[in-house]
Amino acid sequence: AQKITQTQPGMFVQEKEAVTLDCTYDTSDQSYGLFWYKQPSSGEMIFLIYQGSYDEQNATEGRYSLNFQKARKSANLVISASQLGDSAMYFCAMRARQTGANNLFFGTGTRLTVIP
Amino acid sequence: DAGITQSPRHKVTETGTPVTLRCHQTENHRYMYWYRQDPGHGLRLIHYSYGVKDTDKGEVSDGYSVSRSKTEDFLLTLESATSSQTSVYFCAISGQGITEAFFGQGTRLTVV
Repeated sequence: AQKITQTQPGMFVQEKEAVTLDCTYDTSDQSYGLFWYKQPSSGEMIFLIYQGSYDEQNATEGRYSLNFQKARKSANLVISASQLGDSAMYFCAMRARQTGANNLFFGTGTRLTVIP
Repeated sequence: DAGITQSPRHKVTETGTPVTLRCHQTENHRYMYWYRQDPGHGLRLIHYSYGVKDTDKGEVSDGYSVSRSKTEDFLLTLESATSSQTSVYFCAISGQGITEAFFGQGTRLTVV
Protein backbone atom coordinates (compact mmCIF):
# COMPACT_ATOMS: atom_id res chain seq x y z
CA ALA A 1 0.00 0.00 0.00
CA GLN A 2 1.10 3.53 -0.68
CA LYS A 3 0.98 6.21 1.96
CA ILE A 4 1.95 9.87 2.08
CA THR A 5 2.31 11.74 5.35
CA GLN A 6 2.47 15.49 5.77
CA THR A 7 2.79 16.30 9.47
CA GLN A 8 2.63 20.10 9.26
CA PRO A 9 -0.97 21.31 8.97
CA GLY A 10 0.22 24.92 8.79
CA MET A 11 3.47 26.80 8.34
CA PHE A 12 4.44 30.46 8.47
CA VAL A 13 7.41 32.04 6.74
CA GLN A 14 8.67 35.57 6.45
CA GLU A 15 8.74 37.02 2.97
CA LYS A 16 12.10 36.41 1.23
CA GLU A 17 13.03 33.63 3.62
CA ALA A 18 13.27 29.93 2.71
CA VAL A 19 10.84 27.33 4.01
CA THR A 20 10.80 23.54 4.04
CA LEU A 21 7.57 21.56 3.83
CA ASP A 22 7.86 18.00 5.06
CA CYS A 23 6.69 14.86 3.31
CA THR A 24 7.34 11.23 4.11
CA TYR A 25 6.12 8.30 2.09
CA ASP A 26 5.78 4.58 2.28
CA THR A 27 5.79 2.12 -0.58
CA SER A 28 7.15 -1.31 -1.33
CA ASP A 29 7.64 -0.46 -5.00
CA GLN A 30 11.12 0.25 -6.28
CA SER A 31 9.90 2.43 -9.12
CA TYR A 32 7.88 5.44 -8.05
CA GLY A 33 7.61 9.16 -8.41
CA LEU A 34 7.06 11.95 -5.91
CA PHE A 35 5.21 15.13 -6.77
CA TRP A 36 4.35 18.42 -5.18
CA TYR A 37 1.27 20.41 -6.04
CA LYS A 38 0.22 23.90 -5.01
CA GLN A 39 -3.39 24.85 -4.43
CA PRO A 40 -3.95 28.61 -4.08
CA SER A 41 -7.14 30.02 -2.64
CA SER A 42 -8.66 30.03 -6.13
CA GLY A 43 -8.75 26.23 -5.90
CA GLU A 44 -6.83 24.93 -8.89
CA MET A 45 -4.16 22.27 -8.50
CA ILE A 46 -0.81 23.37 -9.90
CA PHE A 47 1.99 20.89 -10.49
CA LEU A 48 5.29 22.16 -9.08
CA ILE A 49 8.00 19.53 -9.15
CA TYR A 50 8.71 15.85 -9.69
CA GLN A 51 11.34 13.43 -8.33
CA GLY A 52 11.80 9.92 -9.66
CA SER A 53 12.90 7.15 -7.33
CA TYR A 54 15.95 6.44 -9.47
CA ASP A 55 17.00 10.06 -9.82
CA GLU A 56 20.30 10.63 -8.07
CA GLN A 57 20.09 14.41 -8.12
CA ASN A 58 17.50 16.40 -6.22
CA ALA A 59 14.95 17.96 -8.53
CA THR A 60 14.85 21.74 -8.91
CA GLU A 61 12.38 24.04 -10.65
CA GLY A 62 13.13 27.70 -10.22
CA ARG A 63 12.64 28.57 -6.54
CA TYR A 64 11.40 25.06 -5.76
CA SER A 65 13.67 22.18 -4.90
CA LEU A 66 12.95 18.74 -3.61
CA ASN A 67 15.14 17.37 -0.84
CA PHE A 68 14.94 13.65 -1.63
CA GLN A 69 16.28 11.26 1.00
CA LYS A 70 15.45 7.81 -0.25
CA ALA A 71 16.68 5.83 2.74
CA ARG A 72 14.56 7.96 5.05
CA LYS A 73 11.65 7.92 2.58
CA SER A 74 11.30 11.66 2.68
CA ALA A 75 10.69 14.15 -0.11
CA ASN A 76 10.62 17.61 1.40
CA LEU A 77 9.80 20.68 -0.67
CA VAL A 78 12.07 23.68 -0.22
CA ILE A 79 10.84 27.07 -1.37
CA SER A 80 13.56 29.69 -1.49
CA ALA A 81 13.00 33.44 -1.30
CA SER A 82 9.33 33.15 -0.35
CA GLN A 83 6.88 35.51 -1.99
CA LEU A 84 3.40 36.56 -0.90
CA GLY A 85 2.00 34.59 -3.83
CA ASP A 86 3.41 31.41 -2.33
CA SER A 87 0.68 31.47 0.31
CA ALA A 88 -1.36 28.35 -0.52
CA MET A 89 -1.99 24.71 0.34
CA TYR A 90 0.80 22.38 -0.71
CA PHE A 91 0.25 18.70 -1.35
CA CYS A 92 2.81 15.95 -1.60
CA ALA A 93 1.81 13.01 -3.78
CA MET A 94 3.23 9.73 -4.97
CA ARG A 95 2.57 7.28 -7.73
CA ALA A 96 4.13 3.85 -8.08
CA ARG A 97 4.46 1.71 -11.17
CA GLN A 98 2.83 -1.35 -9.71
CA THR A 99 -0.25 0.48 -8.43
CA GLY A 100 -3.36 0.27 -10.58
CA ALA A 101 -3.18 2.83 -13.39
CA ASN A 102 -0.26 4.42 -11.59
CA ASN A 103 -2.71 6.12 -9.25
CA LEU A 104 -1.62 9.29 -7.54
CA PHE A 105 -1.88 9.23 -3.74
CA PHE A 106 -1.94 12.47 -1.79
CA GLY A 107 -1.01 13.63 1.67
CA THR A 108 -3.35 15.82 3.68
CA GLY A 109 -1.52 19.00 2.78
CA THR A 110 0.29 21.89 4.47
CA ARG A 111 -1.09 25.41 4.45
CA LEU A 112 1.73 27.89 3.95
CA THR A 113 1.28 31.51 4.91
CA VAL A 114 3.88 34.05 3.83
CA ILE A 115 4.12 37.03 6.16
CA PRO A 116 5.10 40.43 4.71
CA ASP B 1 -2.09 24.30 -19.82
CA ALA B 2 -3.46 20.78 -20.17
CA GLY B 3 -6.81 20.70 -21.93
CA ILE B 4 -9.09 19.42 -19.23
CA THR B 5 -12.51 20.82 -18.46
CA GLN B 6 -14.97 19.94 -15.74
CA SER B 7 -18.66 20.69 -15.80
CA PRO B 8 -20.53 21.99 -14.00
CA ARG B 9 -18.22 24.10 -11.84
CA HIS B 10 -20.80 24.49 -9.09
CA LYS B 11 -23.90 22.52 -8.27
CA VAL B 12 -26.42 22.41 -5.47
CA THR B 13 -28.65 19.38 -5.39
CA GLU B 14 -31.10 17.72 -3.05
CA THR B 15 -30.54 14.54 -1.10
CA GLY B 16 -31.64 11.49 -3.05
CA THR B 17 -31.29 12.98 -6.52
CA PRO B 18 -28.87 11.63 -9.13
CA VAL B 19 -25.98 13.85 -10.16
CA THR B 20 -23.51 13.51 -13.02
CA LEU B 21 -20.24 15.37 -13.28
CA ARG B 22 -18.38 15.52 -16.55
CA CYS B 23 -14.68 15.62 -17.30
CA HIS B 24 -13.53 16.35 -20.83
CA GLN B 25 -9.93 16.25 -22.06
CA THR B 26 -8.33 17.23 -25.33
CA GLU B 27 -4.92 15.68 -24.59
CA ASN B 28 -5.72 12.11 -25.64
CA HIS B 29 -4.32 10.85 -22.33
CA ARG B 30 -5.00 7.26 -21.43
CA TYR B 31 -5.57 7.67 -17.72
CA MET B 32 -8.35 9.66 -16.12
CA TYR B 33 -9.20 10.00 -12.44
CA TRP B 34 -11.87 11.37 -10.17
CA TYR B 35 -10.86 12.68 -6.75
CA ARG B 36 -12.76 14.32 -3.96
CA GLN B 37 -11.20 16.91 -1.67
CA ASP B 38 -12.34 17.35 1.91
CA PRO B 39 -10.71 19.30 4.73
CA GLY B 40 -8.23 17.18 6.65
CA HIS B 41 -8.22 14.43 4.03
CA GLY B 42 -6.37 15.87 1.10
CA LEU B 43 -7.46 14.37 -2.21
CA ARG B 44 -8.87 10.88 -2.21
CA LEU B 45 -9.34 8.74 -5.28
CA ILE B 46 -12.91 7.77 -6.13
CA HIS B 47 -12.57 5.96 -9.46
CA TYR B 48 -10.12 5.84 -12.29
CA SER B 49 -9.99 4.77 -15.91
CA TYR B 50 -7.15 3.27 -17.90
CA GLY B 51 -8.93 3.26 -21.23
CA VAL B 52 -12.30 3.37 -22.93
CA LYS B 53 -14.71 1.22 -20.95
CA ASP B 54 -11.89 0.28 -18.55
CA THR B 55 -12.52 1.61 -15.08
CA ASP B 56 -11.82 0.59 -11.52
CA LYS B 57 -12.54 1.65 -7.96
CA GLY B 58 -10.43 3.90 -5.80
CA GLU B 59 -10.35 4.18 -2.04
CA VAL B 60 -13.70 6.01 -1.61
CA SER B 61 -15.89 4.55 -4.35
CA ASP B 62 -19.06 3.73 -2.38
CA GLY B 63 -22.03 5.65 -3.74
CA TYR B 64 -20.28 6.58 -6.98
CA SER B 65 -20.15 5.09 -10.46
CA VAL B 66 -18.22 6.12 -13.55
CA SER B 67 -18.31 5.62 -17.27
CA ARG B 68 -15.89 6.24 -20.09
CA SER B 69 -17.35 5.64 -23.53
CA LYS B 70 -14.84 7.88 -25.32
CA THR B 71 -11.20 8.64 -24.66
CA GLU B 72 -11.95 12.28 -23.99
CA ASP B 73 -14.87 11.95 -21.56
CA PHE B 74 -15.04 10.54 -18.04
CA LEU B 75 -18.33 10.81 -16.18
CA LEU B 76 -18.84 10.55 -12.44
CA THR B 77 -22.36 9.73 -11.24
CA LEU B 78 -23.78 9.95 -7.76
CA GLU B 79 -26.75 7.60 -8.05
CA SER B 80 -28.55 9.05 -5.03
CA ALA B 81 -26.75 12.03 -3.55
CA THR B 82 -26.21 12.22 0.22
CA SER B 83 -24.98 15.07 2.39
CA SER B 84 -21.71 13.20 2.96
CA GLN B 85 -20.99 13.64 -0.74
CA THR B 86 -20.83 17.40 -0.38
CA SER B 87 -17.27 18.05 -1.51
CA VAL B 88 -15.03 19.49 -4.17
CA TYR B 89 -14.50 17.03 -7.00
CA PHE B 90 -11.43 17.06 -9.20
CA CYS B 91 -10.83 15.26 -12.44
CA ALA B 92 -7.25 14.52 -13.45
CA ILE B 93 -5.52 13.10 -16.49
CA SER B 94 -2.12 11.62 -17.09
CA GLY B 95 -0.14 9.87 -19.74
CA GLN B 96 1.73 6.59 -19.63
CA GLY B 97 4.30 5.96 -16.92
CA ILE B 98 5.13 7.80 -13.74
CA THR B 99 4.43 11.31 -14.91
CA GLU B 100 2.61 14.23 -13.40
CA ALA B 101 -1.17 14.40 -13.50
CA PHE B 102 -3.00 17.50 -14.68
CA PHE B 103 -6.13 18.60 -12.92
CA GLY B 104 -9.37 20.22 -13.94
CA GLN B 105 -10.65 23.33 -12.21
CA GLY B 106 -12.78 21.35 -9.77
CA THR B 107 -16.53 21.10 -9.18
CA ARG B 108 -18.01 22.27 -5.91
CA LEU B 109 -20.99 20.05 -5.13
CA THR B 110 -23.36 20.79 -2.28
CA VAL B 111 -26.01 18.25 -1.31
CA VAL B 112 -28.79 19.76 0.82
